[in-house]
Amino acid sequence: GENVEQHPSTLSVQEGDSAVIKCTYSDSASNYFPWYKQELGKGPQLIIDIRSNVGEKKDQRIAVTLNKTAKHFSLHITETQPEDSAVYFCAASGGNTPLVFGKGTRLSVIA
Amino acid sequence: DGGITQSPKYLFRKEGQNVTLSCEQNLNHDAMYWYRQDPGQGLRLIYYSQIVNDFQKGDIAEGYSVSREKKESFPLTVTSAQKNPTAFYLCASTSGRETNTGELFFGEGSRLTVL
Repeated sequence: GENVEQHPSTLSVQEGDSAVIKCTYSDSASNYFPWYKQELGKGPQLIIDIRSNVGEKKDQRIAVTLNKTAKHFSLHITETQPEDSAVYFCAASGGNTPLVFGKGTRLSVIA
Repeated sequence: DGGITQSPKYLFRKEGQNVTLSCEQNLNHDAMYWYRQDPGQGLRLIYYSQIVNDFQKGDIAEGYSVSREKKESFPLTVTSAQKNPTAFYLCASTSGRETNTGELFFGEGSRLTVL
């Protein structure tokens, strides 16, 4: 089955700097790669996703890149703000099976 | 407002007791999921259901049971057979057209503590 590895587990950045979180997956049949943000005491929320027919997708300060050959995808947050502090999860799915999540990255943005 | 409601938010139980966590959605979604979250472990799938009266085991189904008698409800029972039940439990749903490749909508979770 699918296995998703996520790094780093914790990340601290200064406000205004960029943050990058990386994930690798094992199943070459996976074709959907979402990113979720979880704030303290709440359920995760989708912030951006990418499908295998696209190499990069942007939404304001957030971008995701996908390298299908290397089987890795990354989340990029530019101009970080304190409200970006949260736990971020990557995930992967091939369509026939439910999403498999990475173990999460705790991002702290220091003002 | 449309969404997913989990209850209770906090629950304490003694060892050897079964407990049922409620999950209700009014999004008219076909598929529903239960995840367990432990510190540093991410989200691990317990059970999922893609249609009423049908459900499948996830990666860590042992010690848990579910039912799906109504489209909007997917309760999870944590049985006494679950050896380490203390955790944060999350319910989610998604529309039937994109069961595994569409946005998951999560509830706010139920934190279970075994005393």
